[in-house]
Amino acid sequence: QITLKESGPTLVKPTQTLTLTCTFSGFSLSPSDGGVGWIRQPPGKALEWLALIYWDDDRRLNPSLKSRLTITKDTSKNQVALTLTNMGLVDTGTYYCVHRPITWAVFDFWGQGALVTVSS
Amino acid sequence: DIVMTQSPDSLAVSLGERATINCKSSQSLLFDSNNKNYLAWYQQKSGQPPKLLIYWASARESGVPDRFSGSGSGTDFTLTISSLQAEDVAVYSCQQHYTTPWTFGQGTKVEIK
Repeated sequence: QITLKESGPTLVKPTQTLTLTCTFSGFSLSPSDGGVGWIRQPPGKALEWLALIYWDDDRRLNPSLKSRLTITKDTSKNQVALTLTNMGLVDTGTYYCVHRPITWAVFDFWGQGALVTVSS
Repeated sequence: DIVMTQSPDSLAVSLGERATINCKSSQSLLFDSNNKNYLAWYQQKSGQPPKLLIYWASARESGVPDRFSGSGSGTDFTLTISSLQAEDVAVYSCQQHYTTPWTFGQGTKVEIK
């Protein structure tokens, strides 16, 4: 059974850097698996895909945020981390950790989400 | 980026009646080499993460009731709930899985009339 869980701060100040960690179980980042990524959702708004990392450290980043985004993995801990620099009010929202299967680029398992508020 | 536009933004349907949601992409999602449309649908209930319902426009994810069906090709797609149940109240979003950046529609809220 695949599970993912996000952890990190719930409140950050403008211009600060956000770091979220996803701890997953039920699979390992391997050549036979897909990848782990992040999707966010501002309150009442649409989902926005942010980043994805594969077993071999291949990364995909949303170009609209690429200069601010970093995604890394720690395979020994079954963790993937997302860093978003220079946080602004528009970055407020729920951040989801997701699993992408090897076969196609959909997101078949989601964490419960971490609500991050940007406020001074 | 491929822009995904859904219609309507919300709809109210009586229990047992059909609900139809549309999704239009700014470019074709049909992959010529395998003749598959790279379009997925998700259901998001209040306070929960999204749940994958359909991929490749019409392939139902394991465990999804058969009252949910997807259709369409190219740039125009539809999610149909054949007989709306109370537990289907949710926001439904489409997503193109054709190319990065993977993008979503704005969501359609389905309620009971």
